[in-house]
Amino acid sequence: KAGVTQTPRYLIKTRGQQVTLSCSPISGHRSVSWYQQTPGQGLQFLFEYFSETQRNKGNFPGRFSGRQFSNSRSEMNVSTLELGDSALYLCASSLLGAGYGYTFGSGTRLTVV
Amino acid sequence: TQLLEQSPQFLSIQEGENLTVYCNSSSVFSSLQWYRQEPGEGPVLLVTVVTGGEVKKLKRLTFQFGDARKDSSLHITAAQPGDTGLYLCAGADSGGSNYKLTFGKGTLLTVNP
Repeated sequence: KAGVTQTPRYLIKTRGQQVTLSCSPISGHRSVSWYQQTPGQGLQFLFEYFSETQRNKGNFPGRFSGRQFSNSRSEMNVSTLELGDSALYLCASSLLGAGYGYTFGSGTRLTVV
Repeated sequence: TQLLEQSPQFLSIQEGENLTVYCNSSSVFSSLQWYRQEPGEGPVLLVTVVTGGEVKKLKRLTFQFGDARKDSSLHITAAQPGDTGLYLCAGADSGGSNYKLTFGKGTLLTVNP
């Protein structure tokens, strides 16, 4: 079966711009989570959606937002980009939630210049 | 805030050697997961342990969950170059929330031929 698909794989943006990242989970998985990975901080939780509802949100500023559609596909948006937003953004899907284990996508590498 | 400390941070060994990676916390987790991540890819789930004292074996990899469900270890026997990667432990909240994982910062393992 198809894995978790994230698009685009690479992105270069300028400070102040906004960006939208997309994630298609494994078919049948209703939980989609987003993580930011940087060398210094490791994987930091952004938010989790289940059946279009945000169930949990990490400690990120309001510039980071997300949503989930009825087909479980998810998008995350970052507005007013800062240099520190440069990171690998990972999407993970799960049948019911984090405790059951994630299947991660390959990530979107965002570089802010 | 739940934290997971992994040690060592870096490990470089020769093919055929054994190694152990540790994951420690002051918090109790309902389950603990281990992932391996290769450059340019998302983490891949290796195992989930849920019961205190549980030991799971996956070929040359042995995973153990501490009795108090606060710590875990990963032991690799006769390491091979294909074992090279970033090993991440991740804990699910014991408070009943199934909405996120807390990740350690990882152990970067290099197995030299």
